[in-house]
Formats: sequence, structure tokens, C-alpha cells
Amino acid sequence: EDQVTQSPEALRLQEGESSSLNCSYTVSGLRGLFWYRQDPGKGPEFLFTLYSAGEEKEKERLKATLTKKESFLHITAPKPEDSATYLCAVQASRSSNTGKLIFGQGTTLQVKP
Amino acid sequence: SAVISQKPSRDICQRGTSLTIQCQVDSQVTMMFWYRQQPGQSLTLIATANQGSEATYESGFVIDKFPISRPNLTFSTLTVSNMSPEDSSIYLCSVEQGAGGYTFGSGTRLTVV
Repeated sequence: EDQVTQSPEALRLQEGESSSLNCSYTVSGLRGLFWYRQDPGKGPEFLFTLYSAGEEKEKERLKATLTKKESFLHITAPKPEDSATYLCAVQASRSSNTGKLIFGQGTTLQVKP
Repeated sequence: SAVISQKPSRDICQRGTSLTIQCQVDSQVTMMFWYRQQPGQSLTLIATANQGSEATYESGFVIDKFPISRPNLTFSTLTVSNMSPEDSSIYLCSVEQGAGGYTFGSGTRLTVV
């Protein structure tokens, strides 16, 4: 069964304190791995798509990496405005519905000034 | 990327009634996706709506409970029928965007009392 597990569930950081969020996955052929940011009361905001092991993508203070079993979202010198829930999702290449995303439960990040 | 307008943004409904959620996209898209986000849970795909054909439902979701319309390439509705408190969730629509990710609407927060 295709599955996504994110850890930790919650993370509290001081401003400037770098850390990483983990996304472990099992999937019947990976078509893509997605990272989203979700603010309270809003829909998920797209951050990155990764397609193959070894791939990395960056955006401002965020960097996403991918291996055959997991992905990391590295947050460098976070600011309070980075506080949000970060969601990881996978898309299975062997799924009958290629548009289906399977989400983890998210990591809620709080950055204190 | 596509811009999605979803409404209503929130509603409080009596059990046994139905609510129709609308999703309008600013560009033509082949597939539209409807997700549910229950409190404390991850996003789960309800169904995929293709214009001109019946929606495809995921395991655990049925057309009688969640009828979907897709009258054209920019619009879709999801109805939550005969509601019970267990239907209290955030409902989101999504479409594929050009950069390899998926764009989400802002969501409809439904409370059933």
C-alpha cells in the first residue's frame, strides 16, 4: 500500500535555528514527490516537485532533497513567517489515477522570534 | 499557474441536509480533483472529475454521498449529501499546474451540527 509518513508532527525553532523535516514514503513506483506549505484557513501552497533520487531544489530558505525512501525539507535560518504546516505527498506511477496525490499528515513548524 | 476560486469558504449545516461546493478555475483544465481534510488528518482524494464523463471515486467514497458535476473545463461542484457530524472537514479542489505540481483552492470548512 502506498504510504507517506512525516516526522516530527510538530517542531518549534528559534529564529535562525536551522533544521530538517522528514518525509518517508513507500510507493509502487514514484512518479513525483511534492512539498506544500499550508497556512491556517488556507489551501496548500505548492513548493517543490522532486522526481528522482539525488534531486535537490531550493527556494529562499527551503531546500528539498530526495532519496529512494525519503525526502527532507531543510530550513536554513528560519524566520517567524516560515511558521506553517508543511505537507509531503507522493504520486505513484503505477496508480490507475496518475493525478492522485497521497499525503502525509504534515509537520507543523513554529518559529519564535 | 492556475488560480482557483472556491466557495463557500465556510459553512455550518444541519445534519441531514446537503451542501454544494463550487470550484472555478481561471483556465481550462482536463481533470479536477476533490480532496477532504478531516481534523488532524491528512488530505485524502475523494474523486477525480473529468469534463464530459462520470467522476471517478476513490475507495471509501460513493457517488450517492458525494455527487460531482463537471459541466465545462473551468468549473466543478461537489455536493456533500445527507450530512452527519462525521462529514465536518475541509473540502478542497485541485488542478494540475504547468510546473509539475498541483494547485489547490482555499478550501471549504464545513461544520455539521
